Amino acid sequence: SQKIEQNSEALNIQEGKTATLTCNYTNYSPAYLQWYRQDPGRGPVFLLLIRENEKEKRKERLKVTFDTTLKQSLFHITASQPADSATYLCALVARGGTASKLTFGTGTRLQVTL
Amino acid sequence: GAVVSQHPSWVICKSGTSVKIECRSLDFQATTMFWYRQFPKQSLMLMATSNEGSKATYEQGVEKDKFLINHASLTLSTLTVTSAHPEDSSFYICSAPWRGGSYEQYFGPGTRLTVT
Repeated sequence: SQKIEQNSEALNIQEGKTATLTCNYTNYSPAYLQWYRQDPGRGPVFLLLIRENEKEKRKERLKVTFDTTLKQSLFHITASQPADSATYLCALVARGGTASKLTFGTGTRLQVTL
Repeated sequence: GAVVSQHPSWVICKSGTSVKIECRSLDFQATTMFWYRQFPKQSLMLMATSNEGSKATYEQGVEKDKFLINHASLTLSTLTVTSAHPEDSSFYICSAPWRGGSYEQYFGPGTRLTVT
């Protein structure tokens, strides 16, 4: 069966450190993968998109890697801040599927402490 | 960036009644919108794809007669939960894809539905 799995346990890190979140998928052929941030009681906010033929994407303190052999994406936040505390969701668009149809992972809650 | 609004932000209704939720793209046109449901501490589950001017496409297991979707214009999609039951209580979120070529999606702020 198809699965998109993220670490269900909360990730607690200290301010200033790099947070690394993992997204693993099975039985998917993703055309591209996206990462979103969701705060409690709010809709997700788009962060980064990476295509199947790309290995790495960066945006300010954020970095995403995509390994289609390992079927894994890593999401890094460098110099993390308490304001980065939120739930982070990865989402796939399957190759050959509806262009904008997203399937979300389970999400990982990040808590950045002082 | 693009803005998607939802109304109402929260609603409480009695079992057996119907509730309509609106999703609007405020500064761009959306021929397609998506409706998701999210239960506490769970991820977003796609319910249906709303298509402007045609019928919605429902995901497996979603009752189309219970969750009525109307996409009457390029900026408005509505989701009506008919004959609501307590198990329909959830967080409903809509999204619209940005058509600038980047494939990112813009999400509404969500609607918290509580059925008593």
